[in-house]
Amino acid sequence: GQNIDQPTEMTATEGAIVQINCTYQTSGFNGLFWYQQHAGEAPTFLSYNVLDGLEEKGRFSSFLSRSKGYSYLLLKELQMKDSASYLCAVRDENTDKLIFGTGTRLQVFP
Amino acid sequence: DSGVTQTPKHLITATGQRVTLRCSPRSGDLSVYWYQQSLDQGLQFLIQYYNGEERAKGNILERFSAQQFPDLHSELNLSSLELGDSALYFCASSHGGAPGELFFGEGSRLTVL
Repeated sequence: GQNIDQPTEMTATEGAIVQINCTYQTSGFNGLFWYQQHAGEAPTFLSYNVLDGLEEKGRFSSFLSRSKGYSYLLLKELQMKDSASYLCAVRDENTDKLIFGTGTRLQVFP
Repeated sequence: DSGVTQTPKHLITATGQRVTLRCSPRSGDLSVYWYQQSLDQGLQFLIQYYNGEERAKGNILERFSAQQFPDLHSELNLSSLELGDSALYFCASSHGGAPGELFFGEGSRLTVL
């Protein structure tokens, strides 16, 4: 089976940097994804990591350590519009299922 | 706009009833996924279809069923509805059989009274 853990809520200040952690346990790992979901809206894809290391995409970066079952999403130069839930998802190599964590609700304050 | 279309956007029905949710994937995408999201809950994977065939199954209740048609659109049927089935049901699509970047529809919000 799979188990994905993320903090439930985080707060940060506009212009700051925030790191959202995700730990996972899975029988077969084949990629980790981050999605952003604004309240009442559809999730949108942010990043994908399958190899260890850091993937940078503009203000957002995602890191993966497969040996530790750990990932983080780093958001720089926070803007008010970054207030949303951030979902960590793991693809199981054996079943090809994409399983989501419960998400981290980020609130950005002025 | 993700290119994935879901209908209806909102649905209110009574316990014991049956509803059908419809999803049209992005043009060219062969895989369709169904997820359930209850209030303050994460996305719960229900089922995946790839090119008309069931590919993976999650925590889908026996009262629920789905299928993908030759034109690749999919329907999720929910029967004998209970209050706890009230949720946002998302459909997502991707091109290949293994889930990569998923494109989500705007969801169908089901309220069971």
